[in-house]
Amino acid sequence: AQTVTQSQPEMSVQEAETVTLSCTYDTSESDYYLFWYKQPPSRQMILVIRQEAYKQQNATENRFSVNFQKAAKSFSLKISDSQLGDAAMYFCALQGAQKLVFGQGTRLTINP
Amino acid sequence: DAGITQSPRHKVTETGTPVTLRCHQTENHRYMYWYRQDPGHGLRLIHYSYGVKDTDKGEVSDGYSVSRSKTEDFLLTLESATSSQTSVYFCAIRNPRDFPTDTQYFGPGTRLTVL
Repeated sequence: AQTVTQSQPEMSVQEAETVTLSCTYDTSESDYYLFWYKQPPSRQMILVIRQEAYKQQNATENRFSVNFQKAAKSFSLKISDSQLGDAAMYFCALQGAQKLVFGQGTRLTINP
Repeated sequence: DAGITQSPRHKVTETGTPVTLRCHQTENHRYMYWYRQDPGHGLRLIHYSYGVKDTDKGEVSDGYSVSRSKTEDFLLTLESATSSQTSVYFCAIRNPRDFPTDTQYFGPGTRLTVL
């Protein structure tokens, strides 16, 4: 079975600061992929960043980067230079064979 | 834009009535999924399809059925709605062009309330 755990139900950060959202996972599969999705108040699920588990190099997308620690089964998301538009629920997800499993989500608030 | 639409976007119904939600995609993707989102649970897989007339159960399939008679449409049916099925329902497609991750992209969601 695959599980994803996000231990921070809520986080807040000052605008322009950096924030890190935590995610741990468990899987018995050797090939898998990890994702962070963002869900703003509009409810739309938006892909933020993805990581192939066989790659050691951490993925980056503009202000978003991950810290992938495969041995520790940890996949955290770092948001640099936080902007008001980053306020949303953030979901960590793990894809093994066929299926995508989500964590419970972290609500991120940006303080102006 | 993954070309996914869901209908209706909002629905209020009564316990015991049948409900069908529709997911429509425009890019002929083979894999389609239905999830439900509830507070504290993230998104959980209800059913998925890997081709026309080919479907399989997810982790929370009890009380739901699906059908896929055309590549572009994936229907989710609640045969007799219950209050526990009040939720937000998301459809997703898997894009094989996002090799090798086969990333899933989501529709806008349907908010269903069962009174």
